[in-house]
Amino acid sequence: GQNIDQPTEMTATEGAIVQINCTYQTSGFNGLFWYQQHAGEAPTFLSYNVLDGLEEKGRFSSFLSRSKGYSYLLLKELQMKDSASYLCAVRDDSGNTPLVFGKGTRLSVIA
Amino acid sequence: EPEVTQTPSHQVTQMGQEVILRCVPISNHLYFYWYRQILGQKVEFLVSFYNNEISEKSEIFDDQFSVERPDGSNFTLKIRSTKLEDSAMYFCASRSDRESSYNSPLHFGNGTRLTVT
Repeated sequence: GQNIDQPTEMTATEGAIVQINCTYQTSGFNGLFWYQQHAGEAPTFLSYNVLDGLEEKGRFSSFLSRSKGYSYLLLKELQMKDSASYLCAVRDDSGNTPLVFGKGTRLSVIA
Repeated sequence: EPEVTQTPSHQVTQMGQEVILRCVPISNHLYFYWYRQILGQKVEFLVSFYNNEISEKSEIFDDQFSVERPDGSNFTLKIRSTKLEDSAMYFCASRSDRESSYNSPLHFGNGTRLTVT
């Protein structure tokens, strides 16, 4: 089976740093993806991890620990436009296996 | 930047009617997907398509659903007899074959909001 867990909601202050956690239990593992989704819009790709460690991309970083089945997305210097849902998704098998998404974490950035 | 386009953006239909949702994937992509998202819920996989055939489908994708690539650019999802519970946002996505299969992300269209009354 597949299970991907994320907190439902988080609130953070403009200019601050926020960490969104994701834990997963899947039968296999071939990569973890983070997507951003604004209300009523399509998910847009943020980052990808397949090896343990931190991947940095501007204000966004993503970390993976395969042994712990754990990832986090780190957002620095938060801006109001970062208010969105952040979706953790896992590819659990071969390259063509579709992504399985968690329920998403709705982040509210407040002034 | 090339993008996945979907039409219509919003479709209202009566229960029992057939609907066809249309997608134009990014032109050099070879893997195509349909996902749906019921309001307030997670993005759920429906079906994947490669080399003119379904490569994988979920339990949601029952006999009421079908997909087709009628020409070199369009990718369609048909629901034969819609039910109230089919109301959702339907996202088409595509993926390149040129990047390594393991790290190529899905590129999503803006979705079609289907409302069944």
